[in-house]
This record gives sequence, structure tokens and C-alpha cells, in this order.
Amino acid sequence: DSGVTQTPKHLITATGQRVTLRCSPRSGDLSVYWYQQSLDQGLQFLIQYYNGEERAKGNILERFSAQQFPDLHSELNLSSLELGDSALYFCASSVEDGATQYFGPGTRLLVL
Amino acid sequence: GQQLNQSPQSMFIQEGEDVSMNCTSSSIFNTWLWYKQDPGEGPVLLIALYKAGELTSNGRLTAQFGITRKDSFLNISASIPSDVGIYFCAGRNTGNQFYFGTGTSLTVIP
Repeated sequence: DSGVTQTPKHLITATGQRVTLRCSPRSGDLSVYWYQQSLDQGLQFLIQYYNGEERAKGNILERFSAQQFPDLHSELNLSSLELGDSALYFCASSVEDGATQYFGPGTRLLVL
Repeated sequence: GQQLNQSPQSMFIQEGEDVSMNCTSSSIFNTWLWYKQDPGEGPVLLIALYKAGELTSNGRLTAQFGITRKDSFLNISASIPSDVGIYFCAGRNTGNQFYFGTGTSLTVIP
């Protein structure tokens, strides 16, 4: 158990819908990262937050957004969902910017 | 986004054999990490390397931070069935950005 929690574990929704994925970092970790992993794909970095502020942006679509709250948990919002958005979404946390990341168990999203 | 070159892409080995995989980058990294991912689960950190030339072991796993700082190696000795999974390397550059390898899928045949 890495100490990073993600909810929900599974999510099934329809095209055009909007969903919110939630992540709680390890106790004491200030940085949160979001990744997308599609079938047969490696981990694609989406976005990073550090102590509530956006720190780095990767291949995140405009339909996606994220935020980190004062209690340091983070949410990833996915809107106008498409079939191709079906993937595993992982959250990772680290104690500070650039430190070793610890991954959560992931949220499996299926868009029908 | 940028990804590291990780090889081999997949391996099929007999139980008890040793395994080697590596990761290379065109740019210098300050940190190399090796993760293992089981199907449907999140990657689990195996070994972290912070210094060029560093050789670190974790049980039957040994990893090295290449002296050029552009590569890293992971060796697994005397493989067992529970070693099955996908192994990812990750590197952190001087800008504190992380990049992940494409993964090595390991199958251990009993």
C-alpha cells in the first residue's frame, strides 16, 4: 500500500458525460501528479500540482482539468467524454517537487 | 510527451533464470526509478537511484545508475512466477520533470 488513495476504483459512463476522479496523497506529500494509461500505452503525464498550485503540464486535453485543494487532495475532471478517454487514470504523490513519486491504485474509466 | 527508450519490450523466461532490462535517454537525468506494475494496479516503486554510478539492490533486484547519467539497468536474479508484470523505468531531469519508459513485460514460465 503506497498510501495514495484514489476513488472511485471503477467508473462506467457514456460519451459526452463529465466525471470527477479523486486522489488523496500520502500524508505529508505536497505534490500530486496525474497520469493516463491507455491499453498498450505507457504512462502519459497529464498534470502536476504542488501545494495547491499547478506546477507542470503534460499531454492534458482542454476537456480535462484538475485542481489541488487546501487539504492537498486533488481532483481530475474529465468532460465531454469520448470513447478514447477510456483508460486507467493514476494519481501519484511526492513529498516535494521532483521527489520520488508513489502511485495510487488507479481509477479505471470506461466510456461507452 | 517524451518517453524513455526501454528494452526489451517483452521477455519470456524460465523460472530460475536471470533477467536484464535497460532504459536509455537522450538527455541527462538526476534520478532513475524502477517500478513494477501488476495488471489493473498502480506502479509500485522497486528501486530509486540518485547518483551516477550508483548500484542498489532490493532483494533479488539490482539496479544501476549509468555513469553517463543517460541510462539505467535493472537485473532480476533467479526469477520466480510472482516476478511477472510490467517493469517501468522513470527518470527525473534537471528541470524536475519525470519521464517514463514504455515498459518491459515479463513472463516467467514455471
